[in-house]
Amino acid sequence: DAGVTQSPTHLIKTRGQQVTLRCSPKSGHDTVSWYQQALGQGPQFIFQYYEEEERQRGNFPDRFSGHQFPNYSSELNVNALLLGDSALYLCASSLGQTSYQPQHFGDGTRLSIL
Amino acid sequence: KQEVTQIPAALSVPEGENLVLNCSFTDSAIYNLQWFRQDPGKGLTSLLLIQSSQREQTSGRLNASLDKSSGRSTLYIAASQPGDSATYLCAEGGSEKLVFGKGTKLTVNP
Repeated sequence: DAGVTQSPTHLIKTRGQQVTLRCSPKSGHDTVSWYQQALGQGPQFIFQYYEEEERQRGNFPDRFSGHQFPNYSSELNVNALLLGDSALYLCASSLGQTSYQPQHFGDGTRLSIL
Repeated sequence: KQEVTQIPAALSVPEGENLVLNCSFTDSAIYNLQWFRQDPGKGLTSLLLIQSSQREQTSGRLNASLDKSSGRSTLYIAASQPGDSATYLCAEGGSEKLVFGKGTKLTVNP
């Protein structure tokens, strides 16, 4: 039973560039959430996708956008990259409404901005 | 504003010791409280999930408690082992998102 998979594992970009991160949820899960974890901090909620719609969004600018596909996989896009976007980006999946279900996390994508 | 605080930020103990990690939260209307483990450079591994209607959950040497009235949760680790060394994060679960603390970095010395 495959867990949550994220790609790529590591990525290096320069300021002003754009990046796309990918996530495949755990088998049977239909809800995907994205989190940003800066060094030494806890993860911060970016947004959540369910039925291909953004269901809730955290305190992140519009430079952060996402998409969910019919097979429940998801992409996180970040435009006009800033040095402060350097972080570990985590994808979590769950089944249905997350308030009663544990969220399962992938190993993340480490994004470094030069 | 929802806030989660974890104390201490770091803890070092000798192997075999029992220990308690603390988590406090401000939102009394939480749906659940989840404890995670994170190894360096890795993602999060879910350890225990306590629903708001529950008081505690147990898995092996781990026991987590939840007191909504005081806004506190504890993670008890029995007979600690060097392999338990990691950062432990607690997160309060709302309707869609998790709000995390900064974690407690645990080192278990052989």
